Amino acid sequence: EVQLVQSGAEVKKAGESLKMSCKGSGYSFSSYWIGWVRQMPGKGLEWMGIIYPGDSDTRYSPSFQGQVAISADKSITTAYLQWSSLKASDTAMYYCARSPATGSYHFDYWGQGTLVTVSS
Amino acid sequence: DIQLTQSPSSLSASAGDRITITCRASQTINNYLNWYQQKPERAPKLLIYAASSLQSGVPSRFSGSGSGTDFILTISTLQPEDFATYYCQQSYSDPWTFGQGTKVEIK
Repeated sequence: EVQLVQSGAEVKKAGESLKMSCKGSGYSFSSYWIGWVRQMPGKGLEWMGIIYPGDSDTRYSPSFQGQVAISADKSITTAYLQWSSLKASDTAMYYCARSPATGSYHFDYWGQGTLVTVSS
Repeated sequence: DIQLTQSPSSLSASAGDRITITCRASQTINNYLNWYQQKPERAPKLLIYAASSLQSGVPSRFSGSGSGTDFILTISTLQPEDFATYYCQQSYSDPWTFGQGTKVEIK
């Protein structure tokens, strides 16, 4: 069974750092893209970026380039999303999701989400 | 970035109704268009990929059509569990943008 399990909710202060995780299982982790999607409270879905764990090829949305870092460790089938200095505006739910690497690109499996609350 | 515009932003319908949601891209995206359903406090769920391919396990009352810049999601006979928010997404070019969402509410 394919599963993406994300790390637990975080409560942080502005200026703090954060690294959240997304552990894949039940499939060949290195052979699928893992993407990250933000959902701010009461708002829609925003594509942040994506990584191919097989070779660490990483793409970012211009809206998030330089604001976050996406990485992956294929040896432990885990992808990461990190911030060096959080802002209150980073308060949101963050989802990881898997996409096939060939043919049609689409997020067929999703993590359960990690809620981040940042206080100023 | 490619912009996706969904219409309507919200709609009210009754169980048993046929509904359609439109997604228009700001430039051609061939058939690189996906549809997701999201219920409150839940992760999105893939319904349709490549414009018209039904994801495994998704009921056949959901269908997608279109190519180029104009796409449609149809729910043939709305069920109580279909009241949710629906998003289109393009994967033709980075960033894989989402539409703003269409909320389907009970009339």
